Amino acid sequence: AQSVAQPEDQVNVAEGNPLTVKCTYSVSGNPYLFWYVQYPNRGLQFLLKYITGDNLVKGSYGFEAEFNKSQTSFHLKKPSALVSDSALYFCAVRDTADRGSTLGRLYFGRGTQLTVWP
Amino acid sequence: ETGVTQTPRHLVMGMTNKKSLKCEQHLGHNAMYWYKQSAKKPLELMFVYNFKEQTENNSVPSRFSPECPNSSHLFLHLHTLQPEDSALYLCASSQGYRERTEAFFGQGTRLTVV
Repeated sequence: AQSVAQPEDQVNVAEGNPLTVKCTYSVSGNPYLFWYVQYPNRGLQFLLKYITGDNLVKGSYGFEAEFNKSQTSFHLKKPSALVSDSALYFCAVRDTADRGSTLGRLYFGRGTQLTVWP
Repeated sequence: ETGVTQTPRHLVMGMTNKKSLKCEQHLGHNAMYWYKQSAKKPLELMFVYNFKEQTENNSVPSRFSPECPNSSHLFLHLHTLQPEDSALYLCASSQGYRERTEAFFGQGTRLTVV
């Protein structure tokens, strides 16, 4: 079954330190992977995606993520955290092997609340 | 601004009321989605429309009724809701249902059922 796991409900880091938000996935075929960010009372904003090619993808606001096929992971990273990065982060996967009624569906993780303190 | 606009932003309704949520996108996308986001729960996909045709109804109660008159507009009609239906309702669109492209989300409608 297709699924996404974000093992940490909460991540706390000090401003200026590197941050990592973890994501692992389970799909039948090849994955298309996405990261979104949600600020309070707002919708989800797209950050970056992995479709194919280089395992390290760069996205908005200095974020990047590394696709690791053997570990089925797609962790979100940033070298130096900002207080303004504090938000709820969602990992999502689209399974290319999906058929029928689930074709193209995006599977979301439960979200990780990132808090960056000054 | 993502190009996906939802109205209203906030809605309070009684259990016997009928109301509608509206979503509009000007991105030229062909697929539109309704999601429900409740506290402490994962995002729930409710409905999917591709080229105005409903392709998925994720076992949503009939008190939620979607309508997609064209590829740019999506509605969610609400009637006789329950307090547990209180949540943030998110609309999204994407280039296509099976494409490699990301979905763009609206800012959501915060619904409170009293």
